[in-house]
Amino acid sequence: GIQVEQSPPDLILQEGANSTLRCNFSDSVNNLQWFHQNPWGQLINLFYIPSGTKQNGRLSATTVATERYSLLYISSSQTTDSGVYFCAVDRSHNDMRFGAGTRLTVKP
Amino acid sequence: ETGVTQSPTHLIKTRGQQVTLRCSSQSGHNTVSWYQQALGQGPQFIFQYYREEENGRGNFPPRFSGLQFPNYSSELNVNALELDDSALYLCASNPGTQTDTQYFGPGTRLTVL
Repeated sequence: GIQVEQSPPDLILQEGANSTLRCNFSDSVNNLQWFHQNPWGQLINLFYIPSGTKQNGRLSATTVATERYSLLYISSSQTTDSGVYFCAVDRSHNDMRFGAGTRLTVKP
Repeated sequence: ETGVTQSPTHLIKTRGQQVTLRCSSQSGHNTVSWYQQALGQGPQFIFQYYREEENGRGNFPPRFSGLQFPNYSSELNVNALELDDSALYLCASNPGTQTDTQYFGPGTRLTVL
């Protein structure tokens, strides 16, 4: 199956800083999503982005499908951005594979 | 708020018992997927249902089974519970046949003693 690697595993930022999270995947995919999991376990979809670039407020994402990676950018980070960020991919549309996540801590 | 609910929130069982977890999807969402998330790890895909038929399955044994009902609710059943089944169980729904833009429920935390 597809392997998904996320980096870095942990990230500690000061409020207001910018960050880039990376997701590498081992095979071509038809679906790539970024999620944020809050401390209570709720997963929220941030982007559905199998290719191209999208922006939503302070967050943006870019997927370069031909090179099998995706990047999530967080600008002007806030303490509420803390949590775990997951990248998930799917080749066959019925078997989503998640990475191990990047744990982000934003300090005030 | 994703419009997806799960019950119960927490559950404690003993090894060998059976458990049923429930999920209620958004109206119109014909696809539901279930995931197991062990502590400190990413979610692992268990299976997916589309219009009451299993539409894909991950690497989980047959004692993990599911049902989907016409009213957009679904169940995950686990028989012969093992200690390693302790995890957060998540369901996610989306309107189509594909796993695009999934909406997750808050999860059920299962502890097996």
